[in-house]
Amino acid sequence: QSALTQEASVSGTVGQKVTLSCTGNSNNIGSYAVGWYQQISHGAPKTVMFGNSLPSGIPDRFSGSKSGTTASLTISGLQPEDEADYYCSTWDYSLSVQVFGGGTKLTVL
Amino acid sequence: QLQLQESGPGLVKPSETLSLTCTVTGGSISSSGYYWGWIRQPPGKGLEWIGSIYYSESTYYNPSLKSRVTISVDTSKNQFSLRLSSVTAADTAVYYCARHISNVVTSPPLYWGQGTLVTVSS
Repeated sequence: QSALTQEASVSGTVGQKVTLSCTGNSNNIGSYAVGWYQQISHGAPKTVMFGNSLPSGIPDRFSGSKSGTTASLTISGLQPEDEADYYCSTWDYSLSVQVFGGGTKLTVL
Repeated sequence: QLQLQESGPGLVKPSETLSLTCTVTGGSISSSGYYWGWIRQPPGKGLEWIGSIYYSESTYYNPSLKSRVTISVDTSKNQFSLRLSSVTAADTAVYYCARHISNVVTSPPLYWGQGTLVTVSS
C-alpha cells in the first residue's frame, strides 16, 4: 500500500480539463513539494510538474496545486499524447523516504 | 541538456550483488549542487525510491533497503553507482537513475535516465 493515494484511473475526452489527485498527510504532502511524473507505455518517467512549477519543455496546459495534504495535477485541453500513467511523489519525514503514489492511468477517449 | 544513462548487467543471480552505473552528460556531478538518486520499478508495479547521494558527502537510503544498499560517486568519470547486495527475485525491476531538483534530498526528481531492466534469476 502506497503512502500517497491516487485514483487508479481517470478518463477524459480531447480538449477536456482533467484533474488528478494525490492524497497524503502532514508528514509528506503537507510539508514538502510534490513532483508529478508522466510514464508513457512503460517508458521512462518524465517530470511534468514540481510544486507548481513547470519544467522546461512541458506544455503549459499542465498545472499543479496543493491544498493541505492533497496535491493536484490539472491538464487543461487534454491531448491524445497525454494518455499515460501519472505518479506523484514527495518526501516523508516520518519514514525518511521519498514516497510515491500508486499511479493513475489516464485514458484519453 | 542534462542526460543520464544507466548501465550494468541485465541478469544477476540470487544472493549476488547488483551493480549499476549512471553516466551523466551535459553537466558535472561535482560542480552542480544537486542530489543524485536511484529509483526502481518492478514489472507492472509502481515506483520505489532506493536512495540518493550529494557529491560523496551525504547519502540517504530507503530504510527498507538500507542494509543492502550503497550509492557512491566517481567525480572523475562523472558517474554515480548503485550496489545492492544479497538480491532475490523481489529485486527484479527497471532501475532508473535521476537527478533531484535541488541540493536537498527532500526535493523531487527532475531528470531521469531511460532505465535498465535487471532480472534476478539463476
